[in-house]
Amino acid sequence: AQTVTQSQPEMSVQEAETVTLSCTYDTSENNYYLFWYKQPPSRQMILVIRQEAYKQQNATENRFSVNFQKAAKSFSLKISDSQLGDTAMYFCAFMKQRGETSGSRLTFGEGTQLTVNP
Amino acid sequence: NAGVTQTPKFQVLKTGQSMTLQCAQDMNHNSMYWYRQDPGMGLRLIYYSASEGTTDKGEVPNGYNVSRLNKREFSLRLESAAPSQTSVYFCASSEVVYQPQHFGDGTRLSIL
Repeated sequence: AQTVTQSQPEMSVQEAETVTLSCTYDTSENNYYLFWYKQPPSRQMILVIRQEAYKQQNATENRFSVNFQKAAKSFSLKISDSQLGDTAMYFCAFMKQRGETSGSRLTFGEGTQLTVNP
Repeated sequence: NAGVTQTPKFQVLKTGQSMTLQCAQDMNHNSMYWYRQDPGMGLRLIYYSASEGTTDKGEVPNGYNVSRLNKREFSLRLESAAPSQTSVYFCASSEVVYQPQHFGDGTRLSIL
């Protein structure tokens, strides 16, 4: 079974600064996908960024980027130029690469509450 | 642009009552999922439906049943609610495997 660990329950950052959220995972799979989801106070789950394990290049999405270290099973999220609207719970998630008839199931970490201070 | 719609948004039940949570998506997605989120924890998969006509158990299926009514709709039923099922329930869908899942806004369910 896969496990996802987020060791930072809470973090804070000043507006316009950079912050990095940590995530480690444990799997015996070689092909898989990793995600960061954001959950603001509105409770909606919003996809932030996605990484395919077979890609060596780290994914980026505007101010959001990841540092994917496959050998170390580490997948951290860097938020640059933090904005007040980035305040949210951030979840790291893992998905095995399975056959097309089997569906795609996400395993989530416990979450990191990020607060951006003005 | 509705996406994934869950009803109801809030519900209070008494122990032993039954309840069906509804989920519908308008994105023509093949796969649909039900998760629960408890305080201090990430989401845990209850059941999923890889495609219309199929359903499979997830990590925490006990006490729940599901129905994939058609491609759009995937319902979650609690036959005899228990206080341990107090949680926030999320429905999600994805186009095909490996594609990101899109989530509904959640249903906050309290069982007294």
